[in-house]
Amino acid sequence: AQKVTQAQTEISVVEKEDVTLDCVYETRDTTYYLFWYKQPPSGELVFLIRRNSFDEQNEISGRYSWNFQKSTSSFNFTITASQVVDSAVYFCALRPMEYGNKLVFGAGTILRVKS
Amino acid sequence: GAGVSQSPRYKVAKRGQDVALRCDPISGHVSLFWYQQALGQGPEFLTYFQNEAQLDKSGLPSDRFFAERPEGSVSTLKIQRTQQEDSAVYLCASSRRADPYEQYFGPGTRLTVT
Repeated sequence: AQKVTQAQTEISVVEKEDVTLDCVYETRDTTYYLFWYKQPPSGELVFLIRRNSFDEQNEISGRYSWNFQKSTSSFNFTITASQVVDSAVYFCALRPMEYGNKLVFGAGTILRVKS
Repeated sequence: GAGVSQSPRYKVAKRGQDVALRCDPISGHVSLFWYQQALGQGPEFLTYFQNEAQLDKSGLPSDRFFAERPEGSVSTLKIQRTQQEDSAVYLCASSRRADPYEQYFGPGTRLTVT
């Protein structure tokens, strides 16, 4: 089965706090890709990052960082020094290579950053 | 514009009506995807085109749903005899290659069936 679980339905933080969004996935495939997307109130999904299953290096991009751990099937996303503009729904997605080109999304985590 | 566009942005249909949702992908993008997003949920895959060929329609929930991309660019998702459970946001995405590249999403069409 191909499945993505985002256990945190909603998180509220105060501006400048760090926040981590959890993502756990299930797949039997040895080759797969993982993604994070942001969906602001406008509704358009914005691509943030893509990682493949062979690259477990953590990645940092500005205030964003990602921690990929194959041993625990997790691909967590941390925002450092959160800002009000980070408020959105964040989706983790899985694309197993044997599953065609479709993305399997988690249910999303609503992030609210208060000033 | 340079992004994926969808029209209409909002559609209200009475139960039993047919609807057609349009997607204009980014110019030159080979792959096109349709997803359905119910309220409070993540998008769920409906169908996938590579150029004009529909390579995967495993996510279409019933034979009332039909998608086409006749010239390999614009795509239309048609829903016949709409039901209340069809109410959702329908997202279109395109990708410039057939391999696992990032998909660029449009703003979606919010369909409400009354």
